Amino acid sequence: AQSVTQLDSQVPVFEEAPVELRCNYSSSVSVYLFWYVQYPNQGLQLLLKYLSGSTLVKGINGFEAEFNKSQTSFHLRKPSVHISDTAEYFCAVTPRGTGKLIFGQGTTLQVKP
Amino acid sequence: DAGVIQSPRHEVTEMGQEVTLRCKPISGHDYLFWYRQTMMRGLELLIYFNNNVPIDDSGMPEDRFSAKMPNASFSTLKIQPSEPRDSAVYFCASSFRQEVYGYTFGSGTRLTVV
Repeated sequence: AQSVTQLDSQVPVFEEAPVELRCNYSSSVSVYLFWYVQYPNQGLQLLLKYLSGSTLVKGINGFEAEFNKSQTSFHLRKPSVHISDTAEYFCAVTPRGTGKLIFGQGTTLQVKP
Repeated sequence: DAGVIQSPRHEVTEMGQEVTLRCKPISGHDYLFWYRQTMMRGLELLIYFNNNVPIDDSGMPEDRFSAKMPNASFSTLKIQPSEPRDSAVYFCASSFRQEVYGYTFGSGTRLTVV
């Protein structure tokens, strides 16, 4: 079985500060890794994904994430956040060959002026 | 491309009534997923289809829930009879080679059962 744990339910941060949203996963098989963002009253939008190759992946809106196989982590980072980054962020995994996407509980990023 | 289209956007119904949620996936996508989102349980995968065939319905909470995909361009999620604890936002998503392109989510249906 697979599971995804997002270690922080809420992350408050001031505008222009750096931020890291933490994600750990558990799986007995290889997985693909994703981060999605959900703005209020909207559906989810893909931020970035890790399939293979370089462990540092870059996504939209200046976000990046690093895959660490030994620690089974896929933390999301941004060097300088904006007010508009306030949203819910979801880490997710797909066990290879299944097409099934399993989400973590989400982290609310609150950017303060 | 209009994206994944869900209807209705909002639904308010009385306990015991039948509710049908609808989804039109993106043309050409071969996977379709139904998720439920609540504050308490987060995003739960209810069921997913591949080429119109249900692959995994282990997330369907109970027999009151059923989902169909009669063709590649349409899917329904039905709750009969509905209960207040079914109140949630229900998302439909579709994908083609999702490991490469990711899922595309609809805007969701906010269901309130009173």
